[in-house]
Amino acid sequence: GDSVTQMEGPVTLSEEAFLTINCTYTATGYPSLFWYVQYPGEGLQLLLKATKADDKGSNKGFEATYRKETTSFHLEKGSVQVSDSAVYFCALSFPTDSWGKFQFGAGTQVVVTP
Amino acid sequence: GAVVSQHPSWVICKSGTSVKIECRSLDFQATTMFWYRQFPKQSLMLMATSNEGSKATYEQGVEKDKFLINHASLTLSTLTVTSAHPEDSSFYICSAPPETSYEQYFGPGTRLTVT
Repeated sequence: GDSVTQMEGPVTLSEEAFLTINCTYTATGYPSLFWYVQYPGEGLQLLLKATKADDKGSNKGFEATYRKETTSFHLEKGSVQVSDSAVYFCALSFPTDSWGKFQFGAGTQVVVTP
Repeated sequence: GAVVSQHPSWVICKSGTSVKIECRSLDFQATTMFWYRQFPKQSLMLMATSNEGSKATYEQGVEKDKFLINHASLTLSTLTVTSAHPEDSSFYICSAPPETSYEQYFGPGTRLTVT
């Protein structure tokens, strides 16, 4: 079945460091790929998405490129801030199926220290 | 942006009792809502799709008689955990897409502890 694997956390970084969170997927067909972020005490928020191969999603300084050949969607940010401390979830969904049926990775907690 | 709320945010109940969790879309209508369950340090697992005006669709392995879902209106879906047991303790999250968008908005979650 479809699945998403992302690196385990917590990932602890200093402010202004470079962040990478690896995400790979297994799916039959061509899903849309997402990164969601969950700040403490809040719901999941869409961070960025990509709907087809080679698409690059970007938002708030974060980027991820849909790589079909490596079935990956790694999240990167060049210079993190303390406010980026959160749990990040990689996910896939098939829009042609039932929209909203997401397959999530386990989540990666990111802690940014001043 | 669109907001989805859940109530309560945290509930503790005794084994054998039932607990109701509400999911509301505050500023948009949603004919479909989704219920997820999250175990500590694990993925969100889709439990069921809640459909306004019709029966919920449950994922394989989810007991429909244990997790009762009612989509009472275009802004409210409820999940009732019946005869709760300690193994039902988990974090329950709902989500909803506005009818006019393919975006998915998530509630903040409800932590259920069954003693």
